[in-house]
Amino acid sequence: KQEVTQIPAALSVPEGENLVLNCSFTDSAIYNLQWFRQDPGKGLTSLLLIQSSQREQTSGRLNASLDKSSGRSTLYIAASQPGDSATYLCAVPTSYGKLTFGQGTILTVHP
Amino acid sequence: EAQVTQNPRYLITVTGKKLTVTCSQNMNHEYMSWYRQDPGLGLRQIYYSMNVEVTDKGDVPEGYKVSRKEKRNFPLILESPSPNQTSLYFCASSLRHLNPNTEAFFGQGTRLTVV
Repeated sequence: KQEVTQIPAALSVPEGENLVLNCSFTDSAIYNLQWFRQDPGKGLTSLLLIQSSQREQTSGRLNASLDKSSGRSTLYIAASQPGDSATYLCAVPTSYGKLTFGQGTILTVHP
Repeated sequence: EAQVTQNPRYLITVTGKKLTVTCSQNMNHEYMSWYRQDPGLGLRQIYYSMNVEVTDKGDVPEGYKVSRKEKRNFPLILESPSPNQTSLYFCASSLRHLNPNTEAFFGQGTRLTVV
């Protein structure tokens, strides 16, 4: 059974810092890995999708990497801003397309 | 604009009163699913559909029904809601399931309170 873990559970940083969020998964036979952002009580916004054959994907200040063999993905946020404050979730598709999510990392960026 | 639309966004209801949460996507996606999100339990899949007239149970299907009569719509039905169904619900869609370049899109969520 696929299990997804995110570390840390919460992170508080001053504005301008570069930061790394971690996601690990137990079964390396994945099709892809997706990173989402969720604002409090709101929907999930897709940030990046990394296919199983890719090593990384970039979108603006975000860079996500994937190491299937070690069961890890990282989300790198450069020059963090208060508007980046949110919960970040990683997810991998498992049987019949169900997404298995990590518990999320709550990020707070202080002005 | 490509999107998944859920309605209503917020709903307070009483125990036992049937309700339907609608979900519609405009991307011609084959795969649609419903999740609920609860503190400490994360996101759990309720039901999914791989195409029109094809639905199946997810991890927590008890107390819910779904239908997929049209490709774009996937309503979630609570025949007799109970307080333990108070949750934040999300509808999701993707072009197909278990494909490397298939991205999942989520609706804005429905906050349901059953009293």
